[in-house]
Order: sequence, then C-alpha cells, then structure tokens
Amino acid sequence: AQTVTQSQPEMSVQEAETVTLSCTYDTSENNYYLFWYKQPPSRQMILVIRQEAYKQQNATENRFSVNFQKAAKSFSLKISDSQLGDTAMYFCAFEAGGTSYGKLTFGQGTILTVHP
Amino acid sequence: DVKVTQSSRYLVKRTGEKVFLECVQDMDHENMFWYRQDPGLGLRLIYFSYDVKMKEKGDIPEGYSVSREKKERFSLILESASTNQTSMYLCASSLGQSTYEQYFGPGTRLTVT
Repeated sequence: AQTVTQSQPEMSVQEAETVTLSCTYDTSENNYYLFWYKQPPSRQMILVIRQEAYKQQNATENRFSVNFQKAAKSFSLKISDSQLGDTAMYFCAFEAGGTSYGKLTFGQGTILTVHP
Repeated sequence: DVKVTQSSRYLVKRTGEKVFLECVQDMDHENMFWYRQDPGLGLRLIYFSYDVKMKEKGDIPEGYSVSREKKERFSLILESASTNQTSMYLCASSLGQSTYEQYFGPGTRLTVT
C-alpha cells in the first residue's frame, strides 16, 4: 500500500513571492505517477501538475513546478509569483502504474493563503 | 469542458436513513470514483468503477455501496447512515486505464444527525 504525507497543514505567502509545498510518499512500486491537485474555496478540485516517475526532468506548468526526488521519495510543489487566486487547499496524490484504473492516494492537504 | 455534477451540494439526513448520492459525468469517461474528504485526512477512496456494472472497493468501503447501471452515472449508497459518515463526498471521473487527470464534482456535504 502507498502512503502520501503532507507535513504542512497551513502555509502563507505574500503576493508575488515564491512558496514551496512539501510532499513525501512511500511505495514499493517502480512505475508510478505523482500529482498536485488544487481545491479553491467552494470550488471544484482541479489538476495543477503531473509527474511521471520514469522521467528525470521535473514537470513545469507556467508558474508551477515540482522538485521530484525519486530516491528520497519527495515531491514538492513550487509556486512562483504567487497570486491571490492561488489561495486554495493543495493535495499531493500518488497513482501506481499498470492496471490501477487511475486510483489515487491523497495526502492530508496543505491550506495555502496568499496575502496581498 | 468535462463536467461532473453531483445531485446535492448540502444534505442533512437522520441516523439510520438510506442515503443516495448521485454523480453524473458528460464526457464518456470509463472510470468513476467516490471519495470522502475529512479535515486532516485528505481524500480517501470509498469505491471506484472502471466500467458499467463493474465496481471495486477502495480504502474505506465499510458502510457504503455503489451502483453504476449507466456509463455516465455513479451512485453512492449509505445503507443506514451513521453520524460518523458526516463528511464531504467528492465524485470524480477519468478517461482510460490510468495516468489520466481526474475531474471532480463540486462535492456533497452530508450531515447525519
């Protein structure tokens, strides 16, 4: 079984600054995928970024990038130039490869508040 | 745009009642999922379905059942609601076997009194 741990229940950042959210996971799988999902207040959860474990290059999506350390089983999310709209709960998630049917294991979540 | 809708945003039920939560997706996705979200615990998978009439237990299936008679609709059933089932319930769908993005509904906040 996989576990995902987000050790920061809450974080805050000033607008335009950079913030990093931490995530660690535990698995015996060699083929897997990692995700960051964002849940804005009273709005639907959406995908922020995805990383394939077999890729050494860290994924980036505009202002969002990850630091994927496979040996350390660490998968942090960096948000650059933070905006007020980035205020949300962020979830790290793990998916085993193969016939997992897309099942995700989520971390506990980190509430991020961006201050003007 | 993919749309996942859930039948209610807020629901209040009494202990012992049978509760139905409905989820509908409009993008012909094979996979559908039911999660519950609780503070400090994140999202936990209750059940998922990878095809019509096919279902598998997730991590916390006790006290729940599901039904998927049509591809677009996935129902979560609480046979006899209990107070410890008070939670936010999220439905999601995705295309294909794995690695695809999951699309989430708005959630149903269920209170069992």
